[in-house]
Amino acid sequence: GQNIDQPTEMTATEGAIVQINCTYQTSGFNGLFWYQQHAGEAPTFLSYNVLDGLEEKGRFSSFLSRSKGYSYLLLKELQMKDSASYLCAVRPFPSSGGYQKVTFGTGTKLQVIP
Amino acid sequence: DVKVTQSSRYLVKRTGEKVFLECVQDMDHENMFWYRQDPGLGLRLIYFSYDVKMKEKGDIPEGYSVSREKKERFSLILESASTNQTSMYLCASSSGGGHEQYFGPGTRLTVT
Repeated sequence: GQNIDQPTEMTATEGAIVQINCTYQTSGFNGLFWYQQHAGEAPTFLSYNVLDGLEEKGRFSSFLSRSKGYSYLLLKELQMKDSASYLCAVRPFPSSGGYQKVTFGTGTKLQVIP
Repeated sequence: DVKVTQSSRYLVKRTGEKVFLECVQDMDHENMFWYRQDPGLGLRLIYFSYDVKMKEKGDIPEGYSVSREKKERFSLILESASTNQTSMYLCASSSGGGHEQYFGPGTRLTVT
């Protein structure tokens, strides 16, 4: 099975940088996702990491260390519109019960304050 | 743009009723998913389908069934709704070789 941990809530200031951590223990691993979900809306895809290292996409970056079972999402130059929940999700190997099945963490609710 | 639509945004049903939630995607995706989302529990997979008429149980299939007769449509059925099935239900789809899932707007179901 999968076990995914991320902080429940975080607060950060507009213009600052925030790092949202995610740790996981899985029986198989074939990639880690980050999704953003604004209140009352559907999740939207942010990033996908399958190899170790940092992937940068504009103001958002995602890091993965497979040996440590650890990922983080880095948000720079925070804006008020970044207030949302950020969901970490892990995809197992096909032999672990279905290639396309993804397990989501409970999400980190980020509040950006002026 | 990928579009995933769900039949209702809000639904109120009585205990014991049979409930149908419909999901349609317009991008010819092979995979479709049904999740429920509850505070403190996150997104939990109920069922998914990787092809027409094919389905696989997720983490919490009890009390639910699904139907996929056409590629673009995936239905979630609550045979006899119960109050513990009050939740936000999210449908998603993804291509066979793709990574990301595209989510519909969700259906907030209340069972009284």
